[in-house]
Amino acid sequence: EAGVAQSPRYKIIEKRQSVAFWCNPISGHATLYWYQQILGQGPKLLIQFQNNGVVDDSQLPKDRFSAERLKGVDSTLKIQPAKLEDSAVYLCASRGRSYNEQFFGPGTRLTVL
Amino acid sequence: AQSVTQLGSHVSVSEGALVLLRCNYSSSVPPYLFWYVQYPNQGLQLLLKYTTGATLVKGINGFEAEFKKSETSFHLTKPSAHMSDAAEYFCAAGPKLTFGTGTRLQVTL
Repeated sequence: EAGVAQSPRYKIIEKRQSVAFWCNPISGHATLYWYQQILGQGPKLLIQFQNNGVVDDSQLPKDRFSAERLKGVDSTLKIQPAKLEDSAVYLCASRGRSYNEQFFGPGTRLTVL
Repeated sequence: AQSVTQLGSHVSVSEGALVLLRCNYSSSVPPYLFWYVQYPNQGLQLLLKYTTGATLVKGINGFEAEFKKSETSFHLTKPSAHMSDAAEYFCAAGPKLTFGTGTRLQVTL
């Protein structure tokens, strides 16, 4: 069974530029999560999808971050415009029927200069 | 709000020694509890989880953790450390996963 796929693995941009990350969850997993992991901290939930609907986006900075999950499968997370403090690893995770067992992708490491 | 505290951001043990990584949670209701491991440049991998039932939980790679409600703790242990155990370990509490700040485990010869 293939795991959670993310791309790109690394991205370097300048502040005020835009960037997008892509996630492909494990096949059949209805729930998808995006996390932000700043260096030296644990992951922080940004947004949770159930199929193609948003369940929780309370910690998503909506003035610059957006996410979508069209068709309830792949998802993209966008930052526009990026700030220096957005430098972090962005992790995608998915969950199937097993309650609360999330499977994580390798992450995208974003550096904002 | 739920919170998770991991005592010690860095732990160093000798190969073959006991590994003990500490985790305390704050919740009015016993939560679901998890330990994840993260190797460099990789995502998080689930080591073990507690949901209900037996309070001593066994996970992969010889790790285990014991849920102690009276102490609101879920410490991770392994009897004998191996070099390959060097990684970052995160404790998390659910159902909406809240992560601790992580403990970096170093294993020395």
